[in-house]
Amino acid sequence: QVQLVESGGGVVRPGSSLRLSCAASGFNFNTYSMHWVRQAPGKGLQWVAIVGYDGGDRYYASSVKGRFTISRDNSKNTLYLQMDSLRAEDAAVYYCSRDRGDWGGLDYWGLGTLVTVSS
Amino acid sequence: DIQMTQSPSTLSASVGDRVTISCRASQSISGYLAWYQQKPGKAPTLLIYDASTLQSGVPSRFSGSGSGTEFTLTINSLQPDDVATYSCQHYSSYPWTFGQGTKVEIK
Repeated sequence: QVQLVESGGGVVRPGSSLRLSCAASGFNFNTYSMHWVRQAPGKGLQWVAIVGYDGGDRYYASSVKGRFTISRDNSKNTLYLQMDSLRAEDAAVYYCSRDRGDWGGLDYWGLGTLVTVSS
Repeated sequence: DIQMTQSPSTLSASVGDRVTISCRASQSISGYLAWYQQKPGKAPTLLIYDASTLQSGVPSRFSGSGSGTEFTLTINSLQPDDVATYSCQHYSSYPWTFGQGTKVEIK
């Protein structure tokens, strides 16, 4: 069965960096685009970024462009999110999710990893 | 960026009621819309994609409609298990965006 397991969250100070990982299993990871979606405490979902199946295409939300980098290692079935210059407003649960394919929809989600940004 | 606006923010209905949630896009997104259900403390799950196609395994009491800028999620015969927050999301172009969510409660 499809499993997505995020890790790497924690408490960091504003301006610092953090790298999140998402270990995928149960499907052909190298044939699916992958996404990061976040949710601040008590708030709605916010799409963060996508990386194409081969790592070639990458797109970002306006609020993280230039600070976050999405990447993947298909040999390790792992998705990453490098987060630099973190701000208080980046505090959220970060979910890894799989693109359904055929353009659109996120059909599998991990349980999320919590990032707290506080001085 | 395309803005997605949902209404209402909160909805209270009785078991067995028909419930409708609206989602409006700030510009046309054709039919490139998904709906998600998120139960408290859990990750979201995909209910509907392409505005009206039911994801495998989703109960048939859920349905979606609309195109362009106006979309609707309908729950026919609300069940206690449907207590959750429902969010729409467009995938017409990048960046994708979500609506702010609609919380559904049982009266």
